[in-house]
Amino acid sequence: QQPVQSPQAVILREGEDAVINCSSSKALYSVHWYRQKHGEAPVFLMILLKGGEQKGHEKISASFNEKKQQSSLYLTASQLSYSGTYFCGTETTPGAGSYQLTFGKGTKLSVIP
Amino acid sequence: GAGVSQSPSNKVTEKGKDVELRCDPISGHTALYWYRQSLGQGLEFLIYFQGNSAPDKSGLPSDRFSAERTGGSVSTLTIQRTQQEDSAVYLCASSLTSGLNEQFFGPGTRLTVL
Repeated sequence: QQPVQSPQAVILREGEDAVINCSSSKALYSVHWYRQKHGEAPVFLMILLKGGEQKGHEKISASFNEKKQQSSLYLTASQLSYSGTYFCGTETTPGAGSYQLTFGKGTKLSVIP
Repeated sequence: GAGVSQSPSNKVTEKGKDVELRCDPISGHTALYWYRQSLGQGLEFLIYFQGNSAPDKSGLPSDRFSAERTGGSVSTLTIQRTQQEDSAVYLCASSLTSGLNEQFFGPGTRLTVL
């Protein structure tokens, strides 16, 4: 089942904050976040494991709420370089012989001066 | 070191023709993934290879799609009798091992079926 990302798109001014959500109808084992700039390949941001783990990457952090089967990506004090499409990829069955990720449709983030 | 490379970068073909897309993963990476990305859509999983294990083909949309990985390195995705709905960007990714590892994506092959 494809996770649902919200919002689909968001426009920010430099310095503003944003939250991107990723929800699944199935129990999650891990959530992976990637960013893709226009015309480029997706680039890894972080992986979160079940257990409410929160990770940070400079001013980009994320949380994982196992009970709610969702993850949120937090972007604080946004910079122009944050523009791109953010994808969450979810893994629902650990160690089952396959590690395929199911990606959401993405959230397009545009940061303007 | 070199990243994941894919060739060709662009491929235009006529409906009904077969195409082969190539992926060279990062040296030493045992896991290799193929995804398809249509305009405005997410990354659709196609197939996954891990070492010498049987590949996970559960994402292949039809029997016109097949892939192989020779010598645990280079992979080829083949689409037979292409259809217009096959038009998309095909992305390959590799990771050190499977599971909780960062996937490194290649630049993709943009396939256009006329």
